[in-house]
Amino acid sequence: GAVVSQHPSRVICKSGTSVKIECRSLDFQATTMFWYRQFPKQSLMLMATSNEGSKATYEQGVEKDKFLINHASLTLSTLTVTSAHPEDSSFYICSAPYYLGGANTGELFFGEGSRLTVL
Amino acid sequence: EDKVVQSPLSLVVHEGDTVTLNCSYEVTNFRSLLWYKQEKKAPTFLFMLTSSGIEKKSGRLSSILDKKELSSILNITATQTGDSAIYLCAKRDTGNQFYFGTGTSLTVIP
Repeated sequence: GAVVSQHPSRVICKSGTSVKIECRSLDFQATTMFWYRQFPKQSLMLMATSNEGSKATYEQGVEKDKFLINHASLTLSTLTVTSAHPEDSSFYICSAPYYLGGANTGELFFGEGSRLTVL
Repeated sequence: EDKVVQSPLSLVVHEGDTVTLNCSYEVTNFRSLLWYKQEKKAPTFLFMLTSSGIEKKSGRLSSILDKKELSSILNITATQTGDSAIYLCAKRDTGNQFYFGTGTSLTVIP
């Protein structure tokens, strides 16, 4: 089946540093990827929609300059948390709609998630 | 705003019980409804529903969509401790955007 790989799965960093999270579609091309943030025992909060070759679309309340998204190729999107602070500590998950033979199947596959801890 | 609401928010049952999880959505640009199970990491896909009244089944899990009521249910029969997870439903709209519900946290006690 379709696989979305996310890396790193866990990262600990110091306050003020930047952290990059990668999301790759391994066996299909993803023109769109979604980035979510999830707090403990809560649902997924959509942060932004990443579009290959163009700017990401951010949800209301999400700081564009803090959460930089780049979708440089059809298989890779990156989320960079800039100048991270302890309140940015969270579980970040990416997902991609699955395409088969060029057609969107309607399914959404998720990466394994990245747990960020900012000290 | 595209709202997807799930109920209950949390549920504790004993092994062997049957549970029904609910999901309601707004009709705007509706295309399909998806169910996911999330344990410790990323959600895993369970079902995708596009047509009303047609039950989808996988083992002890089944789900059905009611477009008239703008809702879907996920049934789990003979629950096991391994069913403990957060169950998420999501609405996919005609613009290929996905809107996730609040989630239902299910705990199955031995």
